[in-house]
Amino acid sequence: DTAVSQTPKYLVTQMGNDKSIKCEQNLGHDTMYWYKQDSKKFLKIMFSYNNKELIINETVPNRFSPKSPDKAHLNLHINSLELGDSAVYFCASRLAGGQNEQFFGPGTRLTVL
Amino acid sequence: AQKITQTQPGMFVQEKEAVTLDCTYDTSDPSYGLFWYKQPSSGEMIFLIYQGSYDQQNATEGRYSLNFQKARKSANLVISASQLGDSAMYFCAMRSFRGSARQLTFGSGTQLTVLP
Repeated sequence: DTAVSQTPKYLVTQMGNDKSIKCEQNLGHDTMYWYKQDSKKFLKIMFSYNNKELIINETVPNRFSPKSPDKAHLNLHINSLELGDSAVYFCASRLAGGQNEQFFGPGTRLTVL
Repeated sequence: AQKITQTQPGMFVQEKEAVTLDCTYDTSDPSYGLFWYKQPSSGEMIFLIYQGSYDQQNATEGRYSLNFQKARKSANLVISASQLGDSAMYFCAMRSFRGSARQLTFGSGTQLTVLP
């Protein structure tokens, strides 16, 4: 009965590889997000999708491509991984409404060697 | 643009005592929400408490309360009767109610350590 799930939890890969992180929510939410948490624990928005449509694309390299096949899923594909991509990536979702909190997934720790 | 400032990188508190974690924010939007999240060493993000900009009363949730001072643009988190399990990173965040995305903007966090 996990609310927001991410796979994998840990991802270790070589520079230059392409990898994907999957996210699924079973809460019936209509908005999903990807956040990046760097080594100093700073959290920053990367993408936001509302009803499968891209709403926000912050200054993220175009090597990062989100894909939302349906409202319950928001996957993150990363091409040509670089050392600086090492971070924890969090998926989150919420229901429309100002005070509704975001529910976060458990995070995916990506390490690029 | 929105900005959240948490000026305490680390805080220590004795078990069973109360502690206040500071948060100030900056926004030009008239309508917004303020959130606090807890991130224990296991890494997950746990929602604690919410305060709307138009709420007349300070929010409370169990041992958590929010000291909201709108004119000063501050939203400090107060944890009463600290427990060892409260040791974690605490993030203040805000969301404007303008626009459809309504993503959270986070502060840099405060690492709280509860001492036995």
